[in-house]
Parts: sequence; structure tokens; C-alpha cells
Amino acid sequence: DAMVIQNPRYQVTQFGKPVTLSCSQTLNHNVMYWYQQKSSQAPKLLFHYYDKDFNNEADTPDNFQSRRPNTSFCFLDIRSPGLGDAAMYLCATSRGRGETQYFGPGTRLLVL
Amino acid sequence: DQQVKQNSPSLSVQEGRISILNCDYTNSMFDYFLWYKKYPAEGPTFLISISSIKDKNEDGRFTVFLNKSAKHLSLHIVPSQPGDSAVYFCAASDMTSGSRLTFGEGTQLTVNP
Repeated sequence: DAMVIQNPRYQVTQFGKPVTLSCSQTLNHNVMYWYQQKSSQAPKLLFHYYDKDFNNEADTPDNFQSRRPNTSFCFLDIRSPGLGDAAMYLCATSRGRGETQYFGPGTRLLVL
Repeated sequence: DQQVKQNSPSLSVQEGRISILNCDYTNSMFDYFLWYKKYPAEGPTFLISISSIKDKNEDGRFTVFLNKSAKHLSLHIVPSQPGDSAVYFCAASDMTSGSRLTFGEGTQLTVNP
């Protein structure tokens, strides 16, 4: 019974071609997060939603956008992927701010 | 500015022995600390956490120790099992930043049979 689901697990896109990654959760948590993790590095927070309230990190490029149409789903849109955007993208949820975050399995993005 | 550091990129121990993974932090505002375990091609799995009001938290084979004066925490796994082989991430947050978790770069633990 998966709690944080990410689709697809692997995504290949072309340089400059928009791509959308999706995340859903069955935990009914208020907060959803998107992290980027490059090889051998720490996961880096891109943005998070507290309910419908969107919070962008100061250093997240404009190329990255997010949507949360309802409690269960959250999307990461990369408008014009560059080679440097190839990474693992992790979705996480928490019941409230500052509470334990639970991660999905991640989507590995490859940009050709 | 690396606020959470795991200085050992790798650690190798024998099955049955203790594994000790270390983490240092610089931000004195951090008040909640977590350890995650990550297998290849999977997302991090929450293991154990500790609030800054405590100095020890135990859950089965896993114990986390927090030394606030030294800004240091450690994860002890005893006895270590081959299935514990994974990358372990230390993470920290503070209530003023609300939701942001700051991660260390991870330590690859290998438990040899």
C-alpha cells in the first residue's frame, strides 16, 4: 500500500522539451514538497505547498514550476529542461509544517 | 554553505557489530533532526528522529544521540545486518523555516556478512 507515489519512475526528455512529473499521496497530508537530488549530493528543496499555499525556495530556477490541483496530487513542471536538470526528483509529504517528511520513490529524469 | 555535514562518505562494518554514523551541523536554530535510509533507485525512507529537547531516542536496533553543545548527532545501529547496507542521510529543520529540511550528503554504509 504505497503512500507517496511518483510517476513515472524514469523519464527521458529532450533538451528544451517541457516535461511534467507527478506525485500523489494517500496520507491526506497537508504539505507536499519537491526535491532535486543530483548524484552523490544531498536532496535540495525546490518548493513546497502547505495546502494551497505555494512556497518557492529563493534559489529555485524559474524554469521549475509546480501545481497542486487538490490535496492528493502535486505536479512538477520543467518548462525548458537543460542538461543540468538531469537528476532524481523526489516528492515528499508531511502532515504539517516541521513534521516528519515521507518520500516517494523518486523519478529519475534524463535529458538528451 | 553546508549547514549539515556528514564527513564520512562511506563506512564498512561486519555483520553483528555496531555501525556509528555521524553528522555535524552549524545552524543553532535547528531543533528537529532526522535520519533517512536510501536504497539505490528508491526514495529516502524515514528511520528515526529526535527533537532538540532530548539527547537520545531509541527504536529497536536504531538509536540517535544528540549533543547540542557540540552540534553533533549520531546514529547507532546494533547489531548491524547486511540489509542495513544503504546510504544514510542526516537531515535537520527549524521551526522558523517551517518545512525546509536541510540534508547532509549521505554516508554509504556497507555491512559485510
